[in-house]
Amino acid sequence: DAGVIQSPRHEVTEMGQEVTLRCKPISGHDYLFWYRQTMMRGLELLIYFNNNVPIDDSGMPEDRFSAKMPNASFSTLKIQPSEPRDSAVYFCASSTTGGSQPQHFGDGTRLSIL
Amino acid sequence: AQSVTQPDIHITVSEGASLELRCNYSYGATPYLFWYVQSPGQGLQLLLKYFSGDTLVQGIKGFEAEFKRSQSSFNLRKPSVHWSDAAEYFCALNTGTASKLTFGTGTRLQVTL
Repeated sequence: DAGVIQSPRHEVTEMGQEVTLRCKPISGHDYLFWYRQTMMRGLELLIYFNNNVPIDDSGMPEDRFSAKMPNASFSTLKIQPSEPRDSAVYFCASSTTGGSQPQHFGDGTRLSIL
Repeated sequence: AQSVTQPDIHITVSEGASLELRCNYSYGATPYLFWYVQSPGQGLQLLLKYFSGDTLVQGIKGFEAEFKRSQSSFNLRKPSVHWSDAAEYFCALNTGTASKLTFGTGTRLQVTL
């Protein structure tokens, strides 16, 4: 079975540019999560969706960050405008309903803002 | 609010030696508990999970973990470590009220040959 698919795997761009990260969750999963991982702050939950609806976006750092899930098989995380401090690895994860259900992670997007 | 503590930031063990990574949690009831492993450049992979029943849980790659309610702990063990086990390990909990996980800060495992 295909796992969570993220694209691109690496992104290098200049400060001020718009960045769009993409995620395809596992088919049949109704929860989708976006995380950011840095050395300084570790793994942070940015936002999560249930049945394509954003449930908790309290982890989104600023208005420059936005996330959408137009359908059950696709989500985007957008940063506009990007800043060097946004450099991190961004992970997408998905799961089915239920606290005992594990989250399945993609391989992440390594983002570098110059 | 719930929390997860991994007291060891970095652990070094020799190949073939046994391993125990500590995880303590804070929550008023029994949570769902998970261990994940992250190899360099990769995402987090589920090693094992506990949600009820037998307190000793077997996972992939020869890992096991024991849930101890009295100590609020869920320590990860492996009897003989291989060089390929070098990675970062995360303990996480879910209280069941939502699918949101609370992660520990991780323990980086180094394996010496």
